[in-house]
Amino acid sequence: NAGVTQTPKFRILKIGQSMTLQCTQDMNHNYMYWYRQDPGMGLKLIYYSVGAGITDKGEVPNGYNVSRSTTEDFPLRLELAAPSQTSVYFCASSFWTATGELFFGEGSRLTVL
Amino acid sequence: DAKTTQPTSMDCAEGRAANLPCNHSTISGNEYVYWYRQIHSQGPQYIIHGLKNNETNEMASLIITEDRKSSTLILPHATLRDTAVYYCIVRVAGGGSNYKLTFGKGTLLTVNP
Repeated sequence: NAGVTQTPKFRILKIGQSMTLQCTQDMNHNYMYWYRQDPGMGLKLIYYSVGAGITDKGEVPNGYNVSRSTTEDFPLRLELAAPSQTSVYFCASSFWTATGELFFGEGSRLTVL
Repeated sequence: DAKTTQPTSMDCAEGRAANLPCNHSTISGNEYVYWYRQIHSQGPQYIIHGLKNNETNEMASLIITEDRKSSTLILPHATLRDTAVYYCIVRVAGGGSNYKLTFGKGTLLTVNP
């Protein structure tokens, strides 16, 4: 199993550009999450999904959109990139069971200039 | 979910036990204690979790006090590769839309040679 795969690993955007961070998992997990981590800080939840077709906002959803058309994929869309979105983005997945652990991808480092 | 308090940083000598404390004085009876770690900006990695009994796995031991208001993660023989930020998280068990973890700043454990 590859686990959770994120692409791209690094990206530089100009202010106002848009892009999509890709996340795919091959563990048949029904729960998937997007977190962002600013330097020296903990992780903040952006969006999460409990299954295909179902998504919900986390702590910091503004400026982002998600979709979940399949169990495997959970892309994160940035519209009109702003410097405040410069961060490291982590995708994670888990089973729905009561104590299922989260499996994280290696992260996508985004810089908005 | 209950809030947790962890020291900002700790040091440990290589080969010695690392004991990482966590206070969660407002924990509810149905909340689990989870520990994750993050090595140098990689994606966080699950370590262990528990409800009220002490737990042990191949990575670590988790000691939860009888009143469940605090816990300690023990790495029995710390190595240089254990240098990481360790996150203590409490959350309600169960699936549904409430299944999400909130990460604080964690404890930076530095293992010294």
